[in-house]
Amino acid sequence: GDSVTQMEGPVTLSEEAFLTINCTYTATGYPSLFWYVQYPGEGLQLLLKATKADDKGSNKGFEATYRKETTSFHLEKGSVQVSDSAVYFCALSDLTDSSYKLIFGSGTRLLVRP
Amino acid sequence: SAVISQKPSRDICQRGTSLTIQCQVDSQVTMMFWYRQQPGQSLTLIATANQGSEATYESGFVIDKFPISRPNLTFSTLTVSNMSPEDSSIYLCSVGRSGNTIYFGEGSWLTVV
Repeated sequence: GDSVTQMEGPVTLSEEAFLTINCTYTATGYPSLFWYVQYPGEGLQLLLKATKADDKGSNKGFEATYRKETTSFHLEKGSVQVSDSAVYFCALSDLTDSSYKLIFGSGTRLLVRP
Repeated sequence: SAVISQKPSRDICQRGTSLTIQCQVDSQVTMMFWYRQQPGQSLTLIATANQGSEATYESGFVIDKFPISRPNLTFSTLTVSNMSPEDSSIYLCSVGRSGNTIYFGEGSWLTVV
C-alpha cells in the first residue's frame, strides 16, 4: 500500500541555519503531497502542498518540490527561526477517487536554538 | 478555508467510561475523516464517515470500540468506548475540499486515568 517515509528526528539547528527535512513516498497512483506542522500543544496546520510533478509548494519561507522521478517531497527553509520549532509531518493523498484520506509519515521534530 | 469545530477540546476520563467527540463543519461535505494521534506518534486514520451509510473502518479499528455517527452533511461524532489509558490520544476530525485542500479540526485531547 501507499506509504510515506520521513527522516527521523529530532533535528536541532541554530537560528538562521538552513533546514532540510527529507520525505519520500510510495504510491500506486498519482498522489498529492502535503506538509503539515504541529506546534507544541496545538492542532495540525497545513503548511504547503503540491498536486503534480514539479509543482513547488511554498508558505512562510518553507518550500517543497514534488519530484516524481525520485518520489520525494523534501521540505526546505533557508533560515529557520526559533518559532519554527515544531513537529513536521509529510503526507500523501490519492485524490483521484475524490477521497481526502491522508497517509502520514512518522513526523520530524525540529528544535531551533537561539 | 473550512472551519471545523471539535468538542470537547480536552477531557480527562475515567477508565471504563465512554466519551463522544463532536465535529461540526461550516459547510456540507461528502466525507468526514477521524484520525488518532497517540502521544509522540504520527496520525492514523480510524475511519471514514459517509452521510447515510455506515462508516468505513481502517485495519485495527472496529465499530464496537469507535462507533461513528454521521446524521447530516455537516456533522459527525466519534465515540471512544470502554476507555483504557492506551486510548489517551488526540482525536482529529478532517474534511476535504475542492482544490485538493484537506483541513483538520483543532483536535480533542483525551487523557484516560
